Amino acid sequence: AQSVAQPEDQVNVAEGNPLTVKCTYSVSGNPYLFWYVQYPNRGLQFLLKYITGDNLVKGSYGFEAEFNKSQTSFHLKKPSALVSDSALYFCAVRGFSGGYNKLIFGAGTRLAVHP
Amino acid sequence: DTGVSQDPRHKITKRGQNVTFRCDPISEHNRLYWYRQTLGQGPEFLTYFQNEAQLEKSRLLSDRFSAERPKGSFSTLEIQRTEQGDSAMYLCASSPSTGWEAFFGQGTRLTVV
Repeated sequence: AQSVAQPEDQVNVAEGNPLTVKCTYSVSGNPYLFWYVQYPNRGLQFLLKYITGDNLVKGSYGFEAEFNKSQTSFHLKKPSALVSDSALYFCAVRGFSGGYNKLIFGAGTRLAVHP
Repeated sequence: DTGVSQDPRHKITKRGQNVTFRCDPISEHNRLYWYRQTLGQGPEFLTYFQNEAQLEKSRLLSDRFSAERPKGSFSTLEIQRTEQGDSAMYLCASSPSTGWEAFFGQGTRLTVV
């Protein structure tokens, strides 16, 4: 069965510093990986995805993610954090079951960027 | 606005009442998903439509829950005889047949009192 783990409930970082939000996955076959962000009382916004190709994927708002097959990880990164990046971040993997696909989400990591 | 639209945004209902939520996907998307999200948790898959066909239902979707997507356009999610445990954010998402990412609506927050 496919699954995603986000080992940190919360990540705290100072504005201007680099940030990393961790994600590990478990899938059979090639992984299709995604990051979403959720602001309070809002739906999820798509940030970026890895399907195939370069291990470093660039997405919206200056975020990027590094796919590491040997470590089964897909960590989200940003070189310089902004206070406005404070939100809930979800890693997801596309799972196939019964021939149909759906997104399987981690529990989320709350990112707090302090001025 | 060409994104996924959900209505209502908020719903407060008394235990035992029936509620119905609506989702309008992005017009060219043939795949539609319903998810449920409780506080502090990631979204949990409920059900999946491809066009008008409901192809998968989670075990989370008890007999009190039903979803439809007539004519492969908008979708409705009905909860009968609501219970306090049904209180959650209900998220709808859609994706095209050729893409992999799903695009989410802003959700309907249900509170059962």
